Amino acid sequence: SQTIHQWPATLVQPVGSPLSLECTVEGTSNPNLYWYRQAAGRGLQLLFYSVGIGQISSEVPQNLSASRPQDRQFILSSKKLLLSDSGFYLCAWSPGGETQYFGPGTRLLVL
Amino acid sequence: SQQGEEDPQALSIQEGENATMNCSYKTSINNLQWYRQNSGRGLVHLILIRSNEREKHSGRLRVTLDTSKKSSSLLITASRAADTASYFCARGFMDSNYQLIWGAGTKLIIKP
Repeated sequence: SQTIHQWPATLVQPVGSPLSLECTVEGTSNPNLYWYRQAAGRGLQLLFYSVGIGQISSEVPQNLSASRPQDRQFILSSKKLLLSDSGFYLCAWSPGGETQYFGPGTRLLVL
Repeated sequence: SQQGEEDPQALSIQEGENATMNCSYKTSINNLQWYRQNSGRGLVHLILIRSNEREKHSGRLRVTLDTSKKSSSLLITASRAADTASYFCARGFMDSNYQLIWGAGTKLIIKP
């Protein structure tokens, strides 16, 4: 069966520091991968998605970036965090573009 | 905009009652999905209904889709305390094979 992992679960970072969140999927190959951000009590905002290694589509221009160095690895990064980057970050995978399967999420607090 | 609306934003009912949540959208869809999110956790897929389907069931869940009204509803029958969560609808569109458009969700509280 397929599983999706995200780490860390919680992160507290100072403004201006770098960020690296990692997501890995097991038990499938060539998945579509997604990074979302969720503000408290709100819906999901799609940040990036990838349909293959090295293929990244950005939905929201901001100081975040994403990379897919391996088929089942998706990384969300920032060189300098802003206060507004605080939120709940969710990684998801999809076998073919319909149903999405989510990781447990990373709660990021930028102080 | 492809954004839609979900209502109500919040719903509080007694255990054992039925809960109904609604989702509307503005452009043609390929499918509509419902997900559940427990507080502080990831989302869990509940059910997918395609644009050529009108109703689907899964256990205590019943989803309807009315493409003429561009709306869907999720009914949870005989609610339980464990159903307390936020429920989101997500629309898959004809012109996008990869993306879903998400609503803001309905926060459901089941009172024991």
